[in-house]
Amino acid sequence: QVQLQESGPGLVKPSETLSLTCTVSGGSISNNYWSWIRQPPGKGLEWVGSVYSSGTTNYNPSLKSRVTMSVDTSKNQFSLKLNSVTAADTAVYYCARSSGYFLYWGQGTLVTASS
Amino acid sequence: EIVLTQSPGTLSLSPGERATLSCRASQSVSRNNLVWYQQKPGQAPRLLIYGASNRATGIPDRFSGSGSGTDFTLTVSRLEPEDFAVYYCQQYDTSPWTFGQGTKVEIK
Repeated sequence: QVQLQESGPGLVKPSETLSLTCTVSGGSISNNYWSWIRQPPGKGLEWVGSVYSSGTTNYNPSLKSRVTMSVDTSKNQFSLKLNSVTAADTAVYYCARSSGYFLYWGQGTLVTASS
Repeated sequence: EIVLTQSPGTLSLSPGERATLSCRASQSVSRNNLVWYQQKPGQAPRLLIYGASNRATGIPDRFSGSGSGTDFTLTVSRLEPEDFAVYYCQQYDTSPWTFGQGTKVEIK
């Protein structure tokens, strides 16, 4: 059973960079797509972007100018960086394995953008 | 991008009743690349239905999905207490992958 666990700071100052890592266990990160999805408090879900194990990326155009995703196959991890954050980026961030849709999800981590 | 509109926003029903949730797409979702998730408070979404009508592993048969093109439906034949939650549809036909805004199924 594939399991995912997000990690990273829960508080980020406005204008700074949000950085999260997702550790995959119970399966290899290779030959799969991995995604980040976020959910502002009390609101719906938004796909942030996806990265293939080779490093190929696909980002949501609404965030593309600020997002970078990468994979570290040696650690079975993938990561998200979102720069120039504002209060609008406050959300629970989920990592997930994707095949277009999302079967395996992490538990989510709340990131608050506040000074 | 494909905009998904879910209706109703909230559905108030009693256990044992039938729930019918709608997801309408702004353009055709080809190959039925549409899924449904269930989300309970404080939890990640759980995949219920993929390919518009296929139940994911371990999902009870009271959940069913149907539809094609721009109109899709999730039906819960008889609501159990654990089914009261928020339900989202999502399309993976055209990037960016998009979600509906959700339908909350609450106890009447």
